[in-house]
Amino acid sequence: AQSVAQPEDQVNVAEGNPLTVKCTYSVSGNPYLFWYVQYPNRGLQFLLKYITGDNLVKGSYGFEAEFNKSQTSFHLKKPSALVSDSALYFCAVRPNQAGTALIFGKGTTLSVSS
Amino acid sequence: GAGVSQSPSNKVTEKGKDVELRCDPISGHTALYWYRQRLGQGLEFLIYFQGNSAPDKSGLPSDRFSAERTGESVSTLTIQRTQQEDSAVYLCASSLPLLYGYTFGSGTRLTVV
Repeated sequence: AQSVAQPEDQVNVAEGNPLTVKCTYSVSGNPYLFWYVQYPNRGLQFLLKYITGDNLVKGSYGFEAEFNKSQTSFHLKKPSALVSDSALYFCAVRPNQAGTALIFGKGTTLSVSS
Repeated sequence: GAGVSQSPSNKVTEKGKDVELRCDPISGHTALYWYRQRLGQGLEFLIYFQGNSAPDKSGLPSDRFSAERTGESVSTLTIQRTQQEDSAVYLCASSLPLLYGYTFGSGTRLTVV
C-alpha cells in the first residue's frame, strides 16, 4: 500500500537552532513530494514541493527539504528556527499517476521555544 | 475566486440529521478533493473530482457519505444520518489538472452532538 510516514508526533527546538521534521514514503514509481503547514485555526498552506531535478528544494519562510531516493525520505529542514514556525506540518506524496490524490502523513507538531 | 471557499465554517448538528457541506474551488481548477481531519489526526482522503466526475471515491467511509460536483465548480459533500464519529474538520482543495500542489479551503468544522 502507498503511504507516508512522519515518525515524530512532536518536535521541540529552541529558537535559533536548526530543525528537522522527518518524512518517509512508500509509493510506486517516482513520486511527487510536498510539505504543507497548518497554523492554528487556519487552512493548510503549501510550503514546497519536489517534482524532479535538484534533490534540495527551497520553499516558503526559509524552509527547505531534501529528497533522498535511496532512503525514500523527504525531510523538512530550516537552519534557524523561529517561534513563529510553531505549527503542524504535513508531508504528502502524489504517486506519479494522473488522477491520483495526495496521500498525507499524520502530521508533526513543531514547537519552537524562545 | 481568489481562494477555495468552504461553507459553513462551523456546523453543529444532532445525531441522525443530514448535513451538506459546500466547497467553491478556485475558478478554472478542474480537480477538486475532499479530505477529513479528525482531532489530533492527519488528513484522510475522501473523494476526488476531475471535472464533474469522481474517478476516485475510495475514501468515502460509508454509504452515508456522498458528494457531487456541478458545472465543474461547486461541490457538495452530504453526510446522511450523522454519527458522533463524523465529527471532524472537512477540508476541500482544488488544483489544475497538471499542476501538482493543492490550494486548500479553511475547512468546515462539523460537530455531531
